[in-house]
Amino acid sequence: QVQLQESGPGLVKPSETLSLTCTVSGGSISYFYWSWIRQPPGKGLEWIGYIYYSGSTNYNPSLKSRVTISVDTSKNQFSLKLSSVTAADTAIYYCAREGITMVQGVISDWFDPWGQGTLVTVSS
Amino acid sequence: QSALTQPASVSGSPGQSITISCTGSSSDVGSNFLVSWYQEHPGKAPKLMIYEGSKRPSGVSNRFSGSKSGNTASLTISGLQAEDEADYYCCSYAGSSTHVVFGGGTKLTVL
Repeated sequence: QVQLQESGPGLVKPSETLSLTCTVSGGSISYFYWSWIRQPPGKGLEWIGYIYYSGSTNYNPSLKSRVTISVDTSKNQFSLKLSSVTAADTAIYYCAREGITMVQGVISDWFDPWGQGTLVTVSS
Repeated sequence: QSALTQPASVSGSPGQSITISCTGSSSDVGSNFLVSWYQEHPGKAPKLMIYEGSKRPSGVSNRFSGSKSGNTASLTISGLQAEDEADYYCCSYAGSSTHVVFGGGTKLTVL
């Protein structure tokens, strides 16, 4: 079955750029939406943004000015860059496949599967 | 502050049933959008338990069920088991700009 694995530095300095990659195995990255979601320690989940395999993106309005998500279909990977980070960006970052359907005008959206998550700490 | 409101905690004894509510607005849960639910055990990634409001992915126990009334979606767990103790999050589509919103999470304790 499809599995996702996040990779990247676990420590980033304030004002620098956080960079993470998600590798998809057990299936193709094509024809799906792929998202990044984060969870600050002890807090709830926050959607960061998604990319469609073709390259189209959509970002959380609250993070839009700092987020870039890209895809490399040849490597079955997609990546997250978050610029100008502060301590508030310290979180577990998850990648996930996103399912979206619209049937008779009713829209459903879900995330499955998820990667195991990677903790990124912003600190000098 | 999360866009969807969930109770911070619920509890129940083994064998009992519990319901976790997820209250939104006419911009998300109350619109033509169906909620998904996730279970998160400590140190583990969230796991999809309900999608399209009431459907269960393969492998998820039929003790888990989802429903919606107005601006509130609900997750019901029947026949509580110790392994159900976890955090639960709801999530709803919220339009093309916001895209999706999550609830703040509910900690389920099995007494």
